This record gives sequence, C-alpha cells and structure tokens, in this order.
Amino acid sequence: DTAVSQTPKYLVTQMGNDKSIKCEQNLGHDTMYWYKQDSKKFLKIMFSYNNKELIINETVPNRFSPKSPDKAHLNLHINSLELGDSAVYFCASSNQQGANSPLHFGNGTRLTVT
Amino acid sequence: SQQGEEDPQALSIQEGENATMNCSYKTSINNLQWYRQNSGRGLVHLILIRSNEREKHSGRLRVTLDTSKKSSSLLITASRAADTASYFCADPGTSYGKLTFGQGTILTVHP
Repeated sequence: DTAVSQTPKYLVTQMGNDKSIKCEQNLGHDTMYWYKQDSKKFLKIMFSYNNKELIINETVPNRFSPKSPDKAHLNLHINSLELGDSAVYFCASSNQQGANSPLHFGNGTRLTVT
Repeated sequence: SQQGEEDPQALSIQEGENATMNCSYKTSINNLQWYRQNSGRGLVHLILIRSNEREKHSGRLRVTLDTSKKSSSLLITASRAADTASYFCADPGTSYGKLTFGQGTILTVHP
C-alpha cells in the first residue's frame, strides 16, 4: 500500500535514554516533516526536509536530530530524553515544498518518557 | 489565539444532523486546509480551499472561506457515527512550506 509508515507505534522509555523513530514514505514525495502533538492535541511542526535538505527547524532542542538518508526516509533521533518529550510524533510527506500540497501523515509514534 | 483556531472545541450531535465547525486565522493565506484525525491515527487531508475561492464541496463536506474575516467553516451534512473524529484547520501563514494547525474540534456523532 502507498503510505507514510513510521515505527515504532509505541515507545516507552526512561529519562536520559536515547531513542529513534523511523519514517518511510512510498508516495514519491520530495518533502517530509516531523510534527509533535501534545496531550491537548496541539500539533506543531518540528522539522521539514526537501529532497534530503533541511528546510524548516522550528527551534527544537538540539537533543532532537533528524536524519534523511534519502528523500523517502526521515528519521528522528532523540538524545537524553526528558519527561516533557512525552507526546505523539507524526511523520508526514507532501508532493511539493510549500503549503499548496496536502500533507500525508503516518499513524504516529506515542512516546512515553518515565 | 493560535493560527487556525477552531470553534467549538467540542461538538456532540445525533446521527443525521449537520455539524458546523469554524476556524479563524491571523495572517494572509493562499489556501486553507481541513484535516480529520480519528482516535489513535494520523491526520487525513479532507479539503483544500484557495484564497480566491469562497466555497468548495466534496461529498458531504462543504467548506467556506471568508478572507475579509480571516475565517473558514467546515460543514458536514447528514452526519454519521463514522464521522466521529477531531477536525483541524491548517494554514500556511506567511511561512513557506509550514502548515500551522489549530487545536481542533472534537466531533462526536451519536448513533
């Protein structure tokens, strides 16, 4: 199926650990994103990559490091996890850079930091 | 309020009724988008309305845009229990490539 898929779906870890979330899209899109959704469902952009190049970095702590090995993949590595990092992280992709193309979202990774 | 703020925050209706959700935004836009999120899932794009359009239809969905009031509305007609979800508006504002989402309207449709 054509989709944006991210793994894992659930991630429970302790403070101070380092973890990664992987995202892949087979839609042939050039642009990929990471969004964070908090407990109040507020969705905020973290990063945007266009064809492996970082386009948007929304003042995210440098403990968060995105990596795009190719335009179909955008992974998110988080160092020294903190309680406040608990949230649902969504990967998304779009056909074009810019805001005229709809976003296609993955089903999210629920991160719980204890 | 944030870009793309929805109103009401929650809406509870009976199957068959219409549901109207409103969205306000702050800056100039070239389009406004509406998304649906089912519980535990990612957002799904519903409809995009361009700034030069006033109304757009897609099946049971009707979206209006009033750029003078910086507002948009999403109407779902003849609602079904399966329409139960959170609905978000999103606008690109003035930042190229960055969609900003509102906090969403939680719609519950009772069978």
